[in-house]
Amino acid sequence: DIQLTQSPSFLSASVGDRLTITCRASQGISSYLTWYQQKAGKAPKLLINRASTLQSGVPSRFSGSGSGTEFTLTISSLQPEDFATYYCQQVNSYPLTFGPGTKVDIK
Amino acid sequence: EVQLVESGGGLVQPGGSLRLSCAASGFTFSDHYMEWVRQAPGKGLEWVGLTRNKANSYTTEYAASVKGRFTISRDDSKNSLYLQMNSLETEDTAVYYCAGRRTVGTGFDYWGQGTLVTVSS
Repeated sequence: DIQLTQSPSFLSASVGDRLTITCRASQGISSYLTWYQQKAGKAPKLLINRASTLQSGVPSRFSGSGSGTEFTLTISSLQPEDFATYYCQQVNSYPLTFGPGTKVDIK
Repeated sequence: EVQLVESGGGLVQPGGSLRLSCAASGFTFSDHYMEWVRQAPGKGLEWVGLTRNKANSYTTEYAASVKGRFTISRDDSKNSLYLQMNSLETEDTAVYYCAGRRTVGTGFDYWGQGTLVTVSS
């Protein structure tokens, strides 16, 4: 199975900050990496497909990059509605797996 | 508007069974791969399994943690997805989400609101 790790696991930040979250895969997954945002009590929301393709309707302050085993999610200027938990997911092979999550909290 | 609405969650004793349903609307259900994802209280997301679409013979895949105990099925005529859960364990306690995607190699475009399954004596 492909294991995903995320760093940091917790991040305290302020509105306007630039954030970078890293996701690492235990083996190469090409660009088959997805990012989700989940707010408390809600279902996850798809942000980015194929490592860097922004979903329709997702603000352009979100961006993704990487391939192979290392990926990043960047929020260029954190907004109040961005405080949430972010998960990466590999869709390269079964079983599909998620990273453990990165919680972004208000400083 | 795309909607996925799960139902069937509740309290069940260890060793018991439960069947979850997911009613879909607002998209071409039959074209989509349909998945189940769960989230234990205060924990992260865990993929449970999927059923592929008709073009891919409705084949299924499962996480090791549920294989042999859970069965995923679908009824395209009813735009519905199902999760039959047998031999439930306390570790199966979670919110269960159904989700859908159109394209292989991409994430899950659509998600339901989730239904809580509690396995406890």
